[in-house]
Amino acid sequence: RKEVEQDPGPFNVPEGATVAFNCTYSNSASQSFFWYRQDCRKEPKLLMSVYSSGNEDGRFTAQLNRASQYISLLIRDSKLSDSATYLCVVKGQVGSSNAGKLIFGQGTTLQVKP
Amino acid sequence: ETGVTQTPRHLVMGMTNKKSLKCEQHLGHNAMYWYKQSAKKPLELMFVYSLEERVENNSVPSRFSPECPNSSHLFLHLHTLQPEDSALYLCASSQGLAQNTEAFFGQGTRLTVV
Repeated sequence: RKEVEQDPGPFNVPEGATVAFNCTYSNSASQSFFWYRQDCRKEPKLLMSVYSSGNEDGRFTAQLNRASQYISLLIRDSKLSDSATYLCVVKGQVGSSNAGKLIFGQGTTLQVKP
Repeated sequence: ETGVTQTPRHLVMGMTNKKSLKCEQHLGHNAMYWYKQSAKKPLELMFVYSLEERVENNSVPSRFSPECPNSSHLFLHLHTLQPEDSALYLCASSQGLAQNTEAFFGQGTRLTVV
């Protein structure tokens, strides 16, 4: 089983749509969670951290469900500029076998169309 | 722009060549990483350095040899590579290995082995 699993998509949505991505992780010792965004042929960039209580940043909402070991990202009112690959990332707890390691999912590709 | 700089941006090398990738971070971080990104595969963690000590060697073949002379610089020495080693090699840095510290990536070196 992959440590971090995502549906690779692609998700093709019209402008203005709401789209949600899910991600599951296998290591229950994972302690920190992030969503990164990667544009074509560019490096990954942090989109947002994911906190236990859930957090929102403008049109983006991230949620964490520790019991089910999944993370979600919701994008409201999609823009053309949101087209990218969204990477789910988990980080191991200090002292665990995954300590300090950022483990990436395969990424979910989003294409927002006019 | 990114505080992590990688050189060269593109590299073509033969299987008998020896080359080095360089990474420099200007963020005052003390942990640095090498990742490999192949087409349609998740980012694969190769090496982790914390306070200039290697803390992770993720079963990487010995034809890849990392070096971290100080907390701001990281090298990846390459020799006798194979065509399947062609990929995007990404360097990242973070403020330690603790939870909730995200990684910042360089723009990567796109390596082609011929």
